[in-house]
Amino acid sequence: KQEVTQIPAALSVPEGENLVLNCSFTDSAIYNLQWFRQDPGKGLTSLLLIQSSQREQTSGRLNASLDKSSGRSTLYIAASQPGDSATYLCAVRPPNTDKLIFGTGTRLQVFP
Amino acid sequence: NAGVMQNPRHLVRRRGQEARLRCSPMKGHSHVYWYRQLPEEGLKFMVYLQKENIIDESGMPKERFSAEFPKEGPSILRIQQVVRGDSAAYFCASSSAQGATEAFFGQGTRLTVV
Repeated sequence: KQEVTQIPAALSVPEGENLVLNCSFTDSAIYNLQWFRQDPGKGLTSLLLIQSSQREQTSGRLNASLDKSSGRSTLYIAASQPGDSATYLCAVRPPNTDKLIFGTGTRLQVFP
Repeated sequence: NAGVMQNPRHLVRRRGQEARLRCSPMKGHSHVYWYRQLPEEGLKFMVYLQKENIIDESGMPKERFSAEFPKEGPSILRIQQVVRGDSAAYFCASSSAQGATEAFFGQGTRLTVV
């Protein structure tokens, strides 16, 4: 049974720091992995999607890497800003299924 | 092109009442997924539907919960005889096809049972 874990559960940093959020999954057989952002009381915004054959994806200050064999992904946020404060969710999609399996998230606070 | 639309955004029900949550997928999408987020927990898959068909309901509680996606109109998640433990955020996502790379999420409906 696939399980997704995110560490740390919460993180508070000053503005300008570079951050690494971690996601691990127990079954390396995945179709893709996706990082989302969730603001309090809001829905999910997709940040980056990495196919199983890819090693990383970049969008602006965000970079996500995937090491499928070790069951790990990291989300790197460069030069963090207060507007980055949110909960970051990692989700994997098993093969031959259309559903996502989510981690419990990392709650990030960036203070000025 | 409007995104995935869920309504209501907030719903309060007394114990024993019925809750109906609606989801209109993105234009051109015929596949809908429902997820539930309990307080302080991650999102959990509930059900996957195509128009008029339930494809995967492996995450649905066996009692009181049902879902449909009729030929016309939105997808409905229905919870009968709600209990306090049903209080959660319910998210809908849609995609263009089975096996599509990406699904897009709505803003969610926050159900509070008092």
